[in-house]
Amino acid sequence: DQQVKQNSPSLSVQEGRISILNCDYTNSMFDYFLWYKKYPAEGPTFLISISSIKDKNEDGRFTVFLNKSAKHLSLHIVPSQPGDSAVYFCAASAQEYGNKLVFGAGTILRVKS
Amino acid sequence: KAGVTQTPRYLIKTRGQQVTLSCSPISGHRSVSWYQQTPGQGLQFLFEYFSETQRNKGNFPGRFSGRQFSNSRSEMNVSTLELGDSALYLCASSLGPSGTEAFFGQGTRLTVV
Repeated sequence: DQQVKQNSPSLSVQEGRISILNCDYTNSMFDYFLWYKKYPAEGPTFLISISSIKDKNEDGRFTVFLNKSAKHLSLHIVPSQPGDSAVYFCAASAQEYGNKLVFGAGTILRVKS
Repeated sequence: KAGVTQTPRYLIKTRGQQVTLSCSPISGHRSVSWYQQTPGQGLQFLFEYFSETQRNKGNFPGRFSGRQFSNSRSEMNVSTLELGDSALYLCASSLGPSGTEAFFGQGTRLTVV
């Protein structure tokens, strides 16, 4: 049972344009959501998070939107840069589960210059 | 502030052997979680320790075990290694008991031959 889904395995975007990465979840107990960026052979790097009491959180070029009724969140990167090329993971947690994170399968983002 | 440190970075073992991996969390962080990443399965949760107690456990066989020390450092052990245990093992540390950002180490690449 895949509780967190990233349905797009890959995404290609031109430098300077917006990148939109999507994530859906099924477990309504999830109350905290995070996005991570990962390069090969390295650990995931935390990017941005959002609590279920909010619908938007912004940090520089990165913005996360949460639609609880649709059980959907998205990460917007504006403007996209070639250095953003990496695998992006969506993750979710629930207070009852402590710090256990449930990850999506990841989306490979390629930013073309 | 030092990040999450995992040792060793790379390890080669033969089937049937056992292995111990180490993780030093960020100073002040009391929660340590372990994840296994394989190409086919993505990031899978192994277990979480908080204040030396195991709080959550994923769906892995009993050959996978762990512990946390009073200084929050953690070890995970895999006994009777199988070829399928070859993976990147990632440790993540968090400050509080839940709903906080998890910061990952660079991982230990385990190869079982």
